[in-house]
Amino acid sequence: GDSVTQMEGPVTLSEEAFLTINCTYTATGYPSLFWYVQYPGEGLQLLLKATKADDKGSNKGFEATYRKETTSFHLEKGSVQVSDSAVYFCALTSGGYQKVTFGTGTKLQVIP
Amino acid sequence: DVKVTQSSRYLVKRTGEKVFLECVQDMDHENMFWYRQDPGLGLRLIYFSYDVKMKEKGDIPEGYSVSREKKERFSLILESASTNQTSMYLCAIPADRGALKYGYTFGSGTRLTVV
Repeated sequence: GDSVTQMEGPVTLSEEAFLTINCTYTATGYPSLFWYVQYPGEGLQLLLKATKADDKGSNKGFEATYRKETTSFHLEKGSVQVSDSAVYFCALTSGGYQKVTFGTGTKLQVIP
Repeated sequence: DVKVTQSSRYLVKRTGEKVFLECVQDMDHENMFWYRQDPGLGLRLIYFSYDVKMKEKGDIPEGYSVSREKKERFSLILESASTNQTSMYLCAIPADRGALKYGYTFGSGTRLTVV
């Protein structure tokens, strides 16, 4: 079945540092890939998405490129802020798009 | 903006109680989903529904049931709450154009504690 593997956290960075959170996947067919963000005490928000190979999703300074050859969708940001502290989930949907499969989440803490 | 509203943010129930979690959407989508979120396990699908009175089991349906009597409302029912059902419960609908290809829009979640 479909699965998503993302790096375990927590990840602690200083403000303005470069962020990478790794995500790899296994899926049938041609999945759509997503990153979600969950701020403390809130539900999940869709951060960015890519629906086909080589697409780059971007939002709020975050980027991720759909790499079919390496089955990866790594999240990057050039300069993190304290307000980026949250839990980040990588996810995919495929196989008739009946549901979304999530990774276990990576907690990011940015310190001033 | 798409709205997915979960009726309670925090809930405390006793073991053995029957618990209802409500989710209401304002987008007239056919598809609605219930997940639970636990640390280290990510999100796991409990049940989903493709239409009124239609339901499908997800990955972890045991101990839960659902009800979809109206298109806009999807209820998750814990028939007899147990402490291992203490969790964050999230309702979701397709984010865009009614297709999951574009991801989900989530409600703000209900944090349920069973004591």
